[in-house]
Parts: sequence; structure tokens; C-alpha cells
Amino acid sequence: DTGVSQNPRHKITKRGQNVTFRCDPISEHNRLYWYRQTLGQGPEFLTYFQNEAQLEKSRLLSDRFSAERPKGSFSTLEIQRTEQGDSAMYLCASSPYMNTEAFFGQGTRLTVV
Amino acid sequence: DQQVKQNSPSLSVQEGRISILNCDYTNSMFDYFLWYKKYPAEGPTFLISISSIKDKNEDGRFTVFLNKSAKHLSLHIVPSQPGDSAVYFCAGIQGAQKLVFGQGTRLTINP
Repeated sequence: DTGVSQNPRHKITKRGQNVTFRCDPISEHNRLYWYRQTLGQGPEFLTYFQNEAQLEKSRLLSDRFSAERPKGSFSTLEIQRTEQGDSAMYLCASSPYMNTEAFFGQGTRLTVV
Repeated sequence: DQQVKQNSPSLSVQEGRISILNCDYTNSMFDYFLWYKKYPAEGPTFLISISSIKDKNEDGRFTVFLNKSAKHLSLHIVPSQPGDSAVYFCAGIQGAQKLVFGQGTRLTINP
């Protein structure tokens, strides 16, 4: 068990470009979460999946953001037409079904220049 | 709406003494509360949790207290060690759904 894996660890992109992040959860974990963390703040919920179904999306997740978990295993988070305000740490977490403890990956730090 | 609040951005404690981190919440529907610890450039790591029907949970040097009437919880670390220096987040969870985090408290343990 290698834990939750996120790629890339760092991404620098120009404003207006599209970016995609990947998350590989702990195997057999049904639930997968995406959070965003900015400096001095706690992680903010973006969306979560139970298996391949996306069950909830935050109001923070504008139409430029889309997340998928096509086969109930890994997940991708895409941001289209990036803006400087999208600069943040994007965290992925997974948990077994109905378990309260979520295990986090190391995050992808996005910088939009 | 800030459902979970950590009003102290930072705390400095001498090695060997007790560290007390505080957290307030507004959502009375939370089932569980969790504490996470975060080092720079790493994701949060689970530390300890408490059910809303309990008032205390202890795990080694870490104890979490829950006061439901005051909507307040605290994390006690005794004795504090240099490796405890990190940012600590409290979080609430309702119905095994998403975690709602506070803003975090940076704990520094001084030798």
C-alpha cells in the first residue's frame, strides 16, 4: 500500500492554459475527495466520488473545473482557462466507504503566471 | 459560512510542556471531529478523532476533548516534542460525507 499518489507535484502554467491533475487513491477505497488549499487557510472541499459517481460538487467548483473518476479507481481534475486565482495546493484524499478518516496525498501545487 | 473555526493562527510551546489547540464549530449536525497534522509540502495526516457522543478520546500523547454545549473541542499534546511542530487542522464531518476544515493553527515547539 503506497498511499494516495498525486501527479504532478508541481505545475506552473500560463494564464488561460488548461491543466490536468491525477490522483491515484489507496486501492479498494471507494471514496475519493478533491480539496483546494490556499495560503493560511484550511483545505476547502471541491468534490467527491463514491466509486465512479460524483456525489457532490462545491459552489467553489466553477464551470471551468471538471473532475472524473471513470472506472472508480484513479481520478483527474481539469481546470480550463486557468486564472491567477486558481493558484493553490490541490489535495486528493480517499477513504473506505462510510469510514470517517480520509487519507491525503501530498498534493499538487499549481502556480498560474 | 465558516462552520469550523480555529481562532489562534499560531502557538508557541516549550518542549516537554503541554500544547493545547482549540477549535470552535457552528454545525451541530457534525457526527465526528478529526484532527489532522500537516508538515510543509506534505498532505495532511490524520491524528485523532472523536465521536460527537463522546467527550474525550485519548491516544498516547494526544487527547481530544469535546464540549458539545459550547460547540468547542481541543487537542492536548503532552509532553510536546520538537517533531510536533506543524500546522494542525480540526475538521468536522456529517453523515460520513465531506470533511469541513478550520483554518489551522501553526504549532512551534521550542527546545
